[in-house]
Amino acid sequence: GQQVMQIPQYQHVQEGEDFTTYCNSSTTLSNIQWYKQRPGGHPVFLIQLVKSGEVKKQKRLTFQFGEAKKNSSLHITATQTTDVGTYFCGGGAGSYQLTFGKGTKLSVIP
Amino acid sequence: DAGVIQSPRHEVTEMGQEVTLRCKPISGHNSLFWYRQTMMRGLELLIYFNNNVPIDDSGMPEDRFSAKMPNASFSTLKIQPSEPRDSAVYFCASSLARATEAFFGQGTRLTVV
Repeated sequence: GQQVMQIPQYQHVQEGEDFTTYCNSSTTLSNIQWYKQRPGGHPVFLIQLVKSGEVKKQKRLTFQFGEAKKNSSLHITATQTTDVGTYFCGGGAGSYQLTFGKGTKLSVIP
Repeated sequence: DAGVIQSPRHEVTEMGQEVTLRCKPISGHNSLFWYRQTMMRGLELLIYFNNNVPIDDSGMPEDRFSAKMPNASFSTLKIQPSEPRDSAVYFCASSLARATEAFFGQGTRLTVV
């Protein structure tokens, strides 16, 4: 079945440094969604990408969908302590459901 | 809207007991999902309902797990009998349509001792 891998599993950065997490699917995706989960919280939707090569920005966050629609990345510029949390990607393969990666847990050192 | 509402927020039960988790999706959403989250396995889809009908329950671990959605505003996930390995955070999520933004509830943290 479809598998979605995320790397790295953990990332510790100094405040102000950049951060990138990568999402790779074993199959071609129809769409990919990114969620953020704060410690002790629930996943909160960030964005959805559907087009090959699509790039979307939200302030300091940049999301990219690969040309082959099998990978995606989330890049945060100049991290802040408010960016702390776990970032999940969820890949859809033409059906209703998303297969989630295990997430990348981001720690930001002030 | 209050968002997706789950209850209880925390549940501690003894092995062998029946556990029922409850979810009220966002009004107007026709898709409902139950997920289980653990450190080892991450976020796993257990079951998906569309218009109150179970579409895919292939993620349900075993027969001890069952889920119902008697109407558009209520769903339950039942574990009977519960086992320590069922300890996890269970999330309910709803969305307006397939392949759109999912709104997650606060989750139920289940501990089976």
